[in-house]
Amino acid sequence: AQSVAQPEDQVNVAEGNPLTVKCTYSVSGNPYLFWYVQYPNRGLQFLLKYITGDNLVKGSYGFEAEFNKSQTSFHLKKPSALVSDSALYFCAVRERNFNKFYFGSGTKLNVKP
Amino acid sequence: EAGVAQSPRYKIIEKRQSVAFWCNPISGHATLYWYQQILGQGPKLLIQFQNNGVVDDSQLPKDRFSAERLKGVDSTLKIQPAKLEDSAVYLCASSSEGAIYEQYFGPGTRLTVT
Repeated sequence: AQSVAQPEDQVNVAEGNPLTVKCTYSVSGNPYLFWYVQYPNRGLQFLLKYITGDNLVKGSYGFEAEFNKSQTSFHLKKPSALVSDSALYFCAVRERNFNKFYFGSGTKLNVKP
Repeated sequence: EAGVAQSPRYKIIEKRQSVAFWCNPISGHATLYWYQQILGQGPKLLIQFQNNGVVDDSQLPKDRFSAERLKGVDSTLKIQPAKLEDSAVYLCASSSEGAIYEQYFGPGTRLTVT
């Protein structure tokens, strides 16, 4: 079965430190990969995506993500966390041929001052 | 550019009642999605439209949920009759046609069934 896993329900990091939010997937073919962020009482906002090419993708608000085909992972990263980055982060994977979207269960990021 | 609009933002109903949600996608977006997000979980796709045709409704509980997208623009999602387990946030999203395009989400409608 197709699935997206975010193994950490919560990630805690101090402001100014680097952060990583993990995502692995089991989706056939060479899917497209996305990260979204959700602030309280808001809809999801697009952060970045991997379609093809360079394995390191840069996105909004200083976030980047690293695609690893052999490990079927797409981890979200930021070199220096801000308190305002505290939110819920979702990894999403889309099949190229069948157009289906699969979301992970989300990771709550807490950045402490 | 205006975003995805949804209404109402909040709705409280009793079980066995009916409810309808409305969504207006970003202008020009051919693809429209309805998701159900239960607290603590990721969004679950209920139905996907391409223009006014249904692409995927495999996870839509068709005995109580229905959706339509008239003229390929606005969409409504209806629940009749509602159950307690339908309490969730219902998200509408739209995107340009094509799998490479990201989705843009509306603010959601928080439904509470009592």
